[in-house]
Amino acid sequence: DSGVTQTPKHLITATGQRVTLRCSPRSGDLSVYWYQQSLDQGLQFLIQYYNGEERAKGNILERFSAQQFPDLHSELNLSSLELGDSALYFCASSVVPATQETQYFGPGTRLLVL
Amino acid sequence: AQRVTQPEKLLSVFKGAPVELKCNYSYSGSPELFWYVQYSRQRLQLLLRHISRESIKGFTADLNKGETSFHLKKPFAQEEDSAMYYCALGGDTGKLIFGQGTTLQVKP
Repeated sequence: DSGVTQTPKHLITATGQRVTLRCSPRSGDLSVYWYQQSLDQGLQFLIQYYNGEERAKGNILERFSAQQFPDLHSELNLSSLELGDSALYFCASSVVPATQETQYFGPGTRLLVL
Repeated sequence: AQRVTQPEKLLSVFKGAPVELKCNYSYSGSPELFWYVQYSRQRLQLLLRHISRESIKGFTADLNKGETSFHLKKPFAQEEDSAMYYCALGGDTGKLIFGQGTTLQVKP
């Protein structure tokens, strides 16, 4: 077990709705990353936080936002949901945000937008 | 541009056969490369990373800077190796840039 936890495991919602995905990093890890895995786009980096501050942004839509709290857990907020947002959302963590650091992944949240 | 290419979507081999999963990258600096494995849409698990130069579950990967490749190899495939394999490049700030993934199917 890598120690990264994500809730909920599954989420089913309707178009136009808003959801929040939660991630708790491994103990001691300061950096959190969010990735989206979909059949057509593969695994894509969304956004990264380090010690509460946004560090890097990838292919994240404006309808999506995230934050990292003082206790280092992170939340990914997805709003005005569309069918195409259905995907597996992974959170990963590492000690620090460096290219040589290993990232440990959570089990993911499977989002289905109907 | 930072990019990872895995040319094969599916690789099907028989048990006991050698396996090579191809990965090519594009990166202007000194690359940090990883292989992750995902069993049945579960969480990604780190399989190996090039700087550690270790063999995990019989898999090895060698970084070839001339060919910008980091192919994953195993001399004798096992049925339990069936999974999705992702090659990843450590990009700026530590984010990972993934290839499209290769499904390895090991037939009995």
